[in-house]
Amino acid sequence: AQSVAQPEDQVNVAEGNPLTVKCTYSVSGNPYLFWYVQYPNRGLQFLLKYITGDNLVKGSYGFEAEFNKSQTSFHLKKPSALVSDSALYFCAVRDVSNYQLIWGAGTKLIIKP
Amino acid sequence: DAGVIQSPRHEVTEMGQEVTLRCKPISGHNSLFWYRQTMMRGLELLIYFNNNVPIDDSGMPEDRFSAKMPNASFSTLKIQPSEPRDSAVYFCASSLAQGAGYEQYFGPGTRLTVT
Repeated sequence: AQSVAQPEDQVNVAEGNPLTVKCTYSVSGNPYLFWYVQYPNRGLQFLLKYITGDNLVKGSYGFEAEFNKSQTSFHLKKPSALVSDSALYFCAVRDVSNYQLIWGAGTKLIIKP
Repeated sequence: DAGVIQSPRHEVTEMGQEVTLRCKPISGHNSLFWYRQTMMRGLELLIYFNNNVPIDDSGMPEDRFSAKMPNASFSTLKIQPSEPRDSAVYFCASSLAQGAGYEQYFGPGTRLTVT
């Protein structure tokens, strides 16, 4: 069965430190992977995606994610966290043969000054 | 582009009343999705349209829910009659195409409270 796991409900990081939000997936075939961010009382906002090519994908607001096929992971990273990065982050995967996105449960990221 | 537009942003209604949520997708996008978000169940896909045609409505909770897309620039999600357990944030999203590599763009959502 296809699935996405975000193992951490919440991640706490001090401002200026690097951050990682974890995502692992299980899907048949080649995965198309996405990260979205949701600020309070807002809709989900697309950050970045992996389709093919370079395993390191760069996205909006200085975020990047690394696709690791052997570990079936697609962790979101940022070298230096900002307080304004505090939000809810969702990982999603779509099988190439399926239009539907499978969503993780979300990880709340808290950046402390 | 103004992005995906949803109305109303907030809706408070009494149990048994009809509720209609509205969505205007991004111009040129031909796929439209309705989602529901709750703390308990997370983000759930309710229904998906491609070129104004409903493709998969298996996520619609029950017959009280219905969705239409009369043209490429407008969709509605109707709940009749509404129940307190329908309280949630409802999102509309659109994407450029049906292909697997296309990201979805979300509207700001409608927060529905049924008392």
